[in-house]
Amino acid sequence: EAQVTQNPRYLITVTGKKLTVTCSQNMNHEYMSWYRQDPGLGLRQIYYSMNVEVTDKGDVPEGYKVSRKEKRNFPLILESPSPNQTSLYFCASRPGTWGDQPQHFGDGTRLSIL
Amino acid sequence: DQQVKQNSPSLSVQEGRISILNCDYTNSMFDYFLWYKKYPAEGPTFLISISSIKDKNEDGRFTVFLNKSAKHLSLHIVPSQPGDSAVYFCAASEFSRTEYGNKLVFGAGTILRVKS
Repeated sequence: EAQVTQNPRYLITVTGKKLTVTCSQNMNHEYMSWYRQDPGLGLRQIYYSMNVEVTDKGDVPEGYKVSRKEKRNFPLILESPSPNQTSLYFCASRPGTWGDQPQHFGDGTRLSIL
Repeated sequence: DQQVKQNSPSLSVQEGRISILNCDYTNSMFDYFLWYKKYPAEGPTFLISISSIKDKNEDGRFTVFLNKSAKHLSLHIVPSQPGDSAVYFCAASEFSRTEYGNKLVFGAGTILRVKS
């Protein structure tokens, strides 16, 4: 089954404790991205990657890091989480860089930073 | 400032009637628009899209209309069913700007409730 898998689905942690949210897709997609969803703001892009070793900032990259060492994986790293990073996070992928290809989303990771 | 706006946070419709969800955008460079549907505890799923060269696209019960001069698009669901109850996100991109990875800009979403 074609899917985007995120782990963990839920996490409560404390300020400053480094965490990684993993994202893996099994569709051999070139393009992957991370979003955060906040009430009244919709989904905002954090980082995206157009292929292996090619990543770039989205609209809200502060406080986040990503890496793309393999095509299937695109982890999101919070080096020193803060309460304003409490949010619902989605990873997404699509076949290529063209914008007319709909993105496939994971089921989300709800992070609470205390 | 939000470039894609969904001004109705929620909408309630009777089963069998038409649901109309609206979306406005400010960036005249947007040339590709999508609607995503999201159920609780799941990720958004693609519903329907439209290119700026068209003014209408249909897929079964779902039709998207685009009015470029008004920078407005709408999603019509006819007839509405209880299973359509979800959050609907409008999204837009500049199709031709591949150097930015054709970023999707999302609206805040509209919660649709279809009552049986």
